[in-house]
Amino acid sequence: DIQLTQSPSFLSASVGDRVTITCRASQGISSYLAWYQQEPGKAPKLLIYAASTLQSGVPSRFSGSGSGTEFTLTISSLQPEDFATFYCQQLNSYPRTFGQGTKVEIK
Amino acid sequence: EVQLVETGGGLIQPGGSLRVSCAASGITVSSNYMTWVRQAPGKGLEWVSVIYGGGSTSYADSVKGRFTISRDNSKNTVYLQMNNLRAEDTAVYYCAREASLVATRGSTYYYYYYMDVWGKGTTVTVSS
Repeated sequence: DIQLTQSPSFLSASVGDRVTITCRASQGISSYLAWYQQEPGKAPKLLIYAASTLQSGVPSRFSGSGSGTEFTLTISSLQPEDFATFYCQQLNSYPRTFGQGTKVEIK
Repeated sequence: EVQLVETGGGLIQPGGSLRVSCAASGITVSSNYMTWVRQAPGKGLEWVSVIYGGGSTSYADSVKGRFTISRDNSKNTVYLQMNNLRAEDTAVYYCAREASLVATRGSTYYYYYYMDVWGKGTTVTVSS
């Protein structure tokens, strides 16, 4: 199975900050990676797929990059509604796997 | 509007069985990859199972041999039959559609998958 490791697991940031989350895969997955945002008590919401394609309706402050084994999710200017947990997921092969999550909290 | 609604969760004793359902509207389950993802209390997301448009299935090792995914096309509903339940199966179970985008580079086709529609989840608690 492909393992995904996110870093950091937790980060504290202020409104307006630029935030970057990294996801590393245990083997190459080309661009078969998605990012999700999950607020407490809610279902995950798709942000980005194919490593860098923004899902319809998602604000442009979110962006994704990377290929192979290293990927990043960047929030260019953190907004109050962005405080949540973010997950990467590989869709290169089954079983699909998720990273352990990165919780973004208010500083 | 595309919507997935999970039902059937509850409290069940270890070793028991439970079936959770995912009723779809706005999409046809038989034309899509439909998946189950679970989240234990305070933990991350764990992929559980998928049923492909053609009806083939795949499972996580942690549930293989105990869980069965199926669908009823007439009801446009996907099911997850869970047998021999364990305490570690306690989780919120989400149903999601795995969509795909086809991209071409020259004569090569690339299929990019992503889970774009999610239900709100149903809670399964395994405890005596």
